[in-house]
Amino acid sequence: DVKVTQSSRYLVKRTGEKVFLECVQDMDHENMFWYRQDPGLGLRLIYFSYDVKMKEKGDIPEGYSVSREKKERFSLILESASTNQTSMYLCASSDRGKDEKLFFGSGTQLSVL
Amino acid sequence: GNSVTQMEGPVTLSEEAFLTINCTYTATGYPSLFWYVQYPGEGLQLLLKATKADDKGSNKGFEATYRKETTSFHLEKGSVQVSDSAVYFCALIGGATNKLIFGTGTLLAVQP
Repeated sequence: DVKVTQSSRYLVKRTGEKVFLECVQDMDHENMFWYRQDPGLGLRLIYFSYDVKMKEKGDIPEGYSVSREKKERFSLILESASTNQTSMYLCASSDRGKDEKLFFGSGTQLSVL
Repeated sequence: GNSVTQMEGPVTLSEEAFLTINCTYTATGYPSLFWYVQYPGEGLQLLLKATKADDKGSNKGFEATYRKETTSFHLEKGSVQVSDSAVYFCALIGGATNKLIFGTGTLLAVQP
């Protein structure tokens, strides 16, 4: 089975801190995605990557950056965390050309105080 | 642009009841339609899909039919179980975008 692993289930950070959310997939997928999930808003795409060292902005990239140095790992970075970034963050991966069949991690609930 | 609208939850049902979760979409062209499910403490997983008009997707007793005339893709199940308690997301891909667009999700709670 495909496994997408997110490094932390819960994370509490202070305003202004630099935050790293890590995601690793074990199925050699080319595509990786970061979403945030908020009540009443559903899932919103932050960034995605179709290849190593490649990244593209999604619908809500402001305040975030990403890094993909290795094919299996996709990191989401909050340069200076703010309270409005408190959210559930979901990482996903998919095979090349199969953007519709995403495999998700179980999420990181980030609280910024 | 493309969008997906789902009925608001939570939906609370007794075991063995009939389930309908409504989903309508707005899209240019001919999108593919999906239902994803998120069980408590887990990531989303693909439940079923339909890629063209009048297609019916089905899995685990759930069904949804792609209705182009009403731009809908309602999720149904004849007899729900407690284990079906989860959040259900309708989604589409295609038309103006090659990325999945998700609805807001509908929480289903099934009571014994």
